[in-house]
Amino acid sequence: AQSVTQLDSHVSVSEGTPVLLRCNYSSSYSPSLFWYVQHPNKGLQLLLKYTSAATLVKGINGFEAEFKKSETSFHLTKPSAHMSDAAEYFCVVSEPGSARQLTFGSGTQLTVLP
Amino acid sequence: DAGVTQSPTHLIKTRGQQVTLRCSPKSGHDTVSWYQQALGQGPQFIFQYYEEEERQRGNFPDRFSGHQFPNYSSELNVNALLLGDSALYLCASTRTGDGKNIQYFGAGTRLSVL
Repeated sequence: AQSVTQLDSHVSVSEGTPVLLRCNYSSSYSPSLFWYVQHPNKGLQLLLKYTSAATLVKGINGFEAEFKKSETSFHLTKPSAHMSDAAEYFCVVSEPGSARQLTFGSGTQLTVLP
Repeated sequence: DAGVTQSPTHLIKTRGQQVTLRCSPKSGHDTVSWYQQALGQGPQFIFQYYEEEERQRGNFPDRFSGHQFPNYSSELNVNALLLGDSALYLCASTRTGDGKNIQYFGAGTRLSVL
């Protein structure tokens, strides 16, 4: 069985300040981990993916995440928030391999204040 | 290159009715997965189709069924609709065998059951 817990349902930051979205996972195997973003009325977009090649994963739009096995965490960060980053963010886990089902967290709504 | 397309974008049905949602995968993809996203929650895996067969299934009742066509497009059917079936239904496509499990999502079909 696998699951993810997103520790904050809402995060609010000021434009230009750092972003931290927290995620813990549970898995009985070495998982694949993802972060997806969902803007209103748009499909889910992949930000980044961890597959054991490197513990620090760089994604699109300046986001990155660090895999910490000892803490079973995969937190998403960005040094400086933009207004366009305001959206819902999902931490996702799957078995390794291709075409595996994705298990989503409950999401974190990011608000960016001017 | 067209991404994943879903139709219709919105649908209103009444309890007890049946509904069919459609999905065309991204070019070059052969595997389609369906997810249900209730309001304020993360998407939940319904099932996955590959080579016109249901390959994986989540914890959804038999009222939810699907089909995949030779051109890899897919349909999701829901019978005997309940109020609780109101949700955003997302389709995702990927390519089995590439070892990446990068799933691309459509914008979804929003189903309202009255």
